[in-house]
Amino acid sequence: DIQMTQSPSSLSASVGDRVTITCRASQSISTYLNWYQQRPGKAPKVLIFAASSLQSGVPSRFSGSGSGTDFTLTITSLQPEDFATYYCQQSYSTPYTFGQGTKVEIK
Amino acid sequence: QLQLQESGPGLVKPSETLSLTCTVSGGSISSIGYFWGWIRQPPGKGLEWIGNIYYTGRTYYNPSLRSRVTISADTSKNQFSLRLSSVTAADTAVYYCARLIERTHNWFDPWGQGTLVTVSS
Repeated sequence: DIQMTQSPSSLSASVGDRVTITCRASQSISTYLNWYQQRPGKAPKVLIFAASSLQSGVPSRFSGSGSGTDFTLTITSLQPEDFATYYCQQSYSTPYTFGQGTKVEIK
Repeated sequence: QLQLQESGPGLVKPSETLSLTCTVSGGSISSIGYFWGWIRQPPGKGLEWIGNIYYTGRTYYNPSLRSRVTISADTSKNQFSLRLSSVTAADTAVYYCARLIERTHNWFDPWGQGTLVTVSS
């Protein structure tokens, strides 16, 4: 199985801050990497697919980059509705695997 | 707009079989280029992929669960289902169904709201 490791596990930030979350795969996955946002009590929602493609309807303050084993999700100018947990997921091979999550909290 | 809704018992006894159904509305599970999947999330923990099915019946399962999992599809009802046998407390989780969009890359979108299944006597 491909292991996905996110860092940090949690972070505190203020509205308007720039936030960066990283995800590392245990082997090269090209750009087969997706990012999801999960608000408390809700289902995950895709933000970014194929490492850097913004899902329709997702605000442009979200962006993704990377290839191979190292990936980044960036939120420019954090908004109140962005406080949530973020997961990366590899779709390079089954079993699909997720990172452990990064919880973004209000400072 | 495509919507998915999970249904099934919220409480299952240890050693019994967990059965859930996902009803899809606003689109057909027979559409080309889409798989239909199950993902679970134990309380307070991360996400675990269980498996996917194509409308033809082709399935992919997580090897960690393969011996206990069956995913099936009923195209006449536009539903797909999950059966997990010999459950233990470790199977307590919120279970989500989701569409897997399969292109050059693939991703899950949208997801159902999820249903909590507790394994307890």
